[in-house]
Amino acid sequence: GAVVSQHPSWVICKSGTSVKIECRSLDFQATTMFWYRQFPKQSLMLMATSNEGSKATYEQGVEKDKFLINHASLTLSTLTVTSAHPEDSSFYICSASPRREVYNEQFFGPGTRLTVL
Amino acid sequence: GQQVMQIPQYQHVQEGEDFTTYCNSSTTLSNIQWYKQRPGGHPVFLIQLVKSGEVKKQKRLTFQFGEAKKNSSLHITATQTTDVGTYFCASNTNAGKSTFGDGTTLTVKP
Repeated sequence: GAVVSQHPSWVICKSGTSVKIECRSLDFQATTMFWYRQFPKQSLMLMATSNEGSKATYEQGVEKDKFLINHASLTLSTLTVTSAHPEDSSFYICSASPRREVYNEQFFGPGTRLTVL
Repeated sequence: GQQVMQIPQYQHVQEGEDFTTYCNSSTTLSNIQWYKQRPGGHPVFLIQLVKSGEVKKQKRLTFQFGEAKKNSSLHITATQTTDVGTYFCASNTNAGKSTFGDGTTLTVKP
């Protein structure tokens, strides 16, 4: 149980285009999902908390107009990188928890490697 | 905000040697979680510790949570090549978010 999928697994796009990444919880419902960004050999940087049916909560320094998050259902959250530029190239990972307790372990999707040319 | 510091950043060991990574915080932590990320992969949840002084074992892995709930360690006995990867500690904030340490990358020489 507690499987999270992510699509696509990798994407290469031209500068200025927008890219949508999907995160799905396959065998549980998730009212909250988290989006992270990870640069090579670095830790996970939380970008935003995606809340089902309401606006996402962004971490300080993350542009909400740049990284659009939509949590349309209890099993799907999407992250759209708008007008992508080479500096947006990174590994984007989502996570979710099947439990609603405060101390909730997270199950991560396989990640999406974005390369902006 | 709540931060967790992790050391060492890198550890190279010979297969069969032991390995330990440490996670420290200046504030009392609500909990500690440990994750493993294989090269090219995504983080995978290993374990969670909540109680002061708690010790848990998973085969060759031993996890400890300090008495003051400000530090934690992950110890691997007799490392194997399958242990390679980056080990992250993390702690939940009141909002349910997780704060991750910088990770310790383990390489094992056969």
